[in-house]
Amino acid sequence: EVQLLESGGVLKQPGGSLKISCTGSGFSFSSHAMSWVRQTPGKGLEWLSSVTDIGDDTSYADSVKGRFTISRDNSKNTVYLQMNSLRSEDTAVYFCTRDPPWFDPWGQGTLVTVSS
Amino acid sequence: DVVMTQSPLSLPVTLGQSASISCRSSQSLVSSDGITYLHWLQQRPGHSPRRLIYKVSNRDSGVPDRFSGSGSGTDFTLKISRVEAEDVGVYFCFQGTHWPWTFGQGTKVEIK
Repeated sequence: EVQLLESGGVLKQPGGSLKISCTGSGFSFSSHAMSWVRQTPGKGLEWLSSVTDIGDDTSYADSVKGRFTISRDNSKNTVYLQMNSLRSEDTAVYFCTRDPPWFDPWGQGTLVTVSS
Repeated sequence: DVVMTQSPLSLPVTLGQSASISCRSSQSLVSSDGITYLHWLQQRPGHSPRRLIYKVSNRDSGVPDRFSGSGSGTDFTLKISRVEAEDVGVYFCFQGTHWPWTFGQGTKVEIK
């Protein structure tokens, strides 16, 4: 069964940094591009970033460019999102998903809360 | 960015009746390769999103044939025939034709 499992979501203060992870199983992880999408009650679903299967190319939404960095370690079947200069508006559930822009499947999500 | 507009945002339905959700894009979603990258997600309460339909009208594996997608260009519809209790949740359209990829606001389907 194809599965994606996010981890690392916590409560952080504004201006802080956080790295969240997503581990894939049940498929050949190194053969698939991966993405991060977040969900907030106010803005709904927002694509944030994608990385190619071998990690040689990345793309970002304007809202996070320069603050967030996507990376992957295919030896660990894991994709990461390094989030710096966190703002209150980054409070969201962060999902990883496979094969942009097909976005299938999705992980269960990890909650990141940015608040003082 | 392409704006995806769904309507209605809330849809109360009677069990066994049908439901239709509209999704309109601010630009045509026909790609240069001739394919329309318009897809639909279902998010049940307390769950992560699950893709239901891809490329306008193709059901994903395990999706009941009560779900159907249609449309072209900028105008698309998700129809649920014979709504069941397990269909309660939020439905999102999203486009993969134009970068950055964008989502509709979601339509909440509930049982009357």
